[in-house]
Amino acid sequence: AAGVIQSPRHLIKEKRETATLKCYPIPRHDTVYWYQQGPGQDPQFLISFYEKMQSDKGSIPDRFSAQQFSDYHSELNMSSLELGDSALYFCASSFFLGQGLDNEQYFGPGTRLTVT
Amino acid sequence: SQKIEQNSEALNIQEGKTATLTCNYTNYSPAYLQWYRQDPGRGPVFLLLIRENEKEKRKERLKVTFDTTLKQSLFHITASQPADSATYLCALDGPSGSARQLTFGSGTQLTVLP
Repeated sequence: AAGVIQSPRHLIKEKRETATLKCYPIPRHDTVYWYQQGPGQDPQFLISFYEKMQSDKGSIPDRFSAQQFSDYHSELNMSSLELGDSALYFCASSFFLGQGLDNEQYFGPGTRLTVT
Repeated sequence: SQKIEQNSEALNIQEGKTATLTCNYTNYSPAYLQWYRQDPGRGPVFLLLIRENEKEKRKERLKVTFDTTLKQSLFHITASQPADSATYLCALDGPSGSARQLTFGSGTQLTVLP
């Protein structure tokens, strides 16, 4: 079965540079989520999109922005990178059944961002 | 503020025994609770979801209970195997009640010894 695809898998950037992470959800999934996981930390929710509109916003820095395109893929844009941005960035997707229903999320393999 | 706690950062058990992991939460009334498995360097994998009006749910060797009075979920793996070794995360729907985000606990690293 098709899974969530993320690219690139690994990315090395220098401080103050810009990075773009891409996520391709499972076909027919209408909701995309972005999470950041630092070393030894649990995944922290950043932002989500439903039907190409921003849905929920978590602890996403102002230096980051994201969008979902007409083909449902999503991109996370990160500017003015800092050392503390080094982490695993996961994208997840789901088919939103409704509030209070079983909206299990399917995670991609992640993009490991290293800022030097 | 909302808080999720999972018992002990690491749990070691002998192969064949039942592993029991605990997830406690405060300042929150989730509509459902989910359990995920995460292997090093990989994305979390969905295991089970239990809704607020369900007491127990099973899937093969996995069992989850949900006590909304105690604000606690227990996750059991019976007849554990070394391949079950991983970090297990509990997750709740968002603090605002939104279903479009998950808040994760810090995870319990399970090691099943052969």
